[in-house]
Amino acid sequence: GENVEQHPSTLSVQEGDSAVIKCTYSDSASNYFPWYKQELGKGPQLIIDIRSNVGEKKDQRIAVTLNKTAKHFSLHITETQPEDSAVYFCVASGTYKYIFGTGTRLKVLA
Amino acid sequence: DVKVTQSSRYLVKRTGEKVFLECVQDMDHENMFWYRQDPGLGLRLIYFSYDVKMKEKGDIPEGYSVSREKKERFSLILESASTNQTSMYLCASSFPNRDRLNTGELFFGEGSRLTVL
Repeated sequence: GENVEQHPSTLSVQEGDSAVIKCTYSDSASNYFPWYKQELGKGPQLIIDIRSNVGEKKDQRIAVTLNKTAKHFSLHITETQPEDSAVYFCVASGTYKYIFGTGTRLKVLA
Repeated sequence: DVKVTQSSRYLVKRTGEKVFLECVQDMDHENMFWYRQDPGLGLRLIYFSYDVKMKEKGDIPEGYSVSREKKERFSLILESASTNQTSMYLCASSFPNRDRLNTGELFFGEGSRLTVL
């Protein structure tokens, strides 16, 4: 069935360093790729998304890249800060259905 | 701001009990979803609804049912709770994109942590 593989499952970085989370999806019909951030005790919240007709998108310290041929997409966070510590989920979406990755727990060490 | 409210943050139930998890959204969203979140498994879709009285099975519907009698309210029902249903349950809503090919941004509630003893 359709699935999204996400790596790594945990990631620790020093404050100010960059963090990269990678995902691979299986359903070639997927055309929308959002990323969600879940802080402790809260529900996931959309932080950035990218559509299949775009290869890269940036919003301040956060960027996403998409390689549709390889079915890969990635989240890049630069100049990490303690408040970036959270669980991040990648998602591949087709018709009315989101397929979530298994999540990456990011810890930013002060 | 969009608000999705889940009625209970923490519940403890006994095996065999009937459990109701309520979710209300205040943005007139057409789509509503119930997910289950377990460590290492991400979020898995239980049921979703794209209109009042409509429901569709997700990836793991066994042991669950849903009800959507009003647009703003989507309820998850465990007819007879079992210990393997101990989990975090997340409700979400969205307004479909214009082309209705995607669900649009999902707005989540804060979750209901259910423990079945």
